[in-house]
Amino acid sequence: NAGVTQTPKFRVLKTGQSMTLLCAQDMNHEYMYWYRQDPGMGLRLIHYSVGEGTTAKGEVPDGYNVSRLKKQNFLLGLESAAPSQTSVYFCASKTSGRRNEQFFGPGTRLTVL
Amino acid sequence: AQKITQTQPGMFVQEKEAVTLDCTYDTSDPSYGLFWYKQPSSGEMIFLIYQGSYDQQNATEGRYSLNFQKARKSANLVISASQLGDSAMYFCAMTPPGSNDYKLSFGAGTTVTVRA
Repeated sequence: NAGVTQTPKFRVLKTGQSMTLLCAQDMNHEYMYWYRQDPGMGLRLIHYSVGEGTTAKGEVPDGYNVSRLKKQNFLLGLESAAPSQTSVYFCASKTSGRRNEQFFGPGTRLTVL
Repeated sequence: AQKITQTQPGMFVQEKEAVTLDCTYDTSDPSYGLFWYKQPSSGEMIFLIYQGSYDQQNATEGRYSLNFQKARKSANLVISASQLGDSAMYFCAMTPPGSNDYKLSFGAGTTVTVRA
């Protein structure tokens, strides 16, 4: 049981390049989330999904797109990376059952030059 | 998004002593959930404790307890008998459980350093 995994762990992009971050969970969770963490700040929600095939915008969605074609995977895309998107990205998932907490992946450190 | 405030950027605590981390929140929703997460220097986010707004008793999980004062809109985390491994960043977060998306809003965090 791997929990929540994220690929890649580190990435350096040049301004204007595109990339996709992959989040996978093996807990059969309904809910999945993408957050970003910047220095001196708490995590901020980018996009989220309440089930397979659904996505919704969070607090800071601009410049990102997401897809949830399979229940276990949640992809975060950057179409044209900007230096302001330099951050640590966390994926999280949550069951639809009684447990309230979100389970987080290890994070992806992205630098945009 | 709900506003979460953690006023202590950093704290030092002596090993084996207790430490209280402050968290206040602002919401007009009567139904919500409060969480504390720990982020060690390795970077992962570790769930510590949860308190529902209608829970009658303060939540406890081992050495962690939550001092929940609903009227004051505060949810302070108490770590008893601090250990060196407690050195980390601690985040307070909340979500409206009455909603169907359980989005988390986080505070800015408090860094705790435990001294031997």
